[in-house]
Amino acid sequence: KAGVTQTPRYLIKTRGQQVTLSCSPISGHRSVSWYQQTPGQGLQFLFEYFSETQRNKGNFPGRFSGRQFSNSRSEMNVSTLELGDSALYLCASSFGDRGGYEQYFGPGTRLTVT
Amino acid sequence: AQSVAQPEDQVNVAEGNPLTVKCTYSVSGNPYLFWYVQYPNRGLQFLLKYITGDNLVKGSYGFEAEFNKSQTSFHLKKPSALVSDSALYFCAVRDHDKLIFGTGTRLQVFP
Repeated sequence: KAGVTQTPRYLIKTRGQQVTLSCSPISGHRSVSWYQQTPGQGLQFLFEYFSETQRNKGNFPGRFSGRQFSNSRSEMNVSTLELGDSALYLCASSFGDRGGYEQYFGPGTRLTVT
Repeated sequence: AQSVAQPEDQVNVAEGNPLTVKCTYSVSGNPYLFWYVQYPNRGLQFLLKYITGDNLVKGSYGFEAEFNKSQTSFHLKKPSALVSDSALYFCAVRDHDKLIFGTGTRLQVFP
């Protein structure tokens, strides 16, 4: 079974631009979560989608948004990029969105904002 | 609020020796605990989880973890370390629909 895929793997953008990242979950998984990883803040939860509905959102500004499609694929968008948005963005999928279901992570998208 | 703590930024161990990476947790209710490993420029790989049942959980690549309710700990262990185990290890706890991660412990296994 194919794992979680994320595209693109690397992105370089300038301040003020916007960016869209894509995530394809493991087949059959309906929950997709997004995390931001930085050396200073570690792994921080961005948001989670289950069956096309955003179920939870982390403490990030409204510039960060996302959506999930009927095939469970998900996108996240960051508008008006800031230097501090440079990070590894990780997508994870899970069969369920509660309890003991583990999340499986993609390789991440490395975003650099200059 | 659920949280986990990894008290060691780095653990050094010689190849062939047993290794332990520590994790303590703070939860309300029953804990759902996980260990993940991250290799350079890669995403996180799931190693094992504790939901309920046996306190000793076995996972991938020979890793195991011991759940200790009285000490609120969930330490990751391996009887004999390999150089290839060198990586960044994260403990996590489930908080509803998201995972709360520890700060990570860098494991360095020396030949």
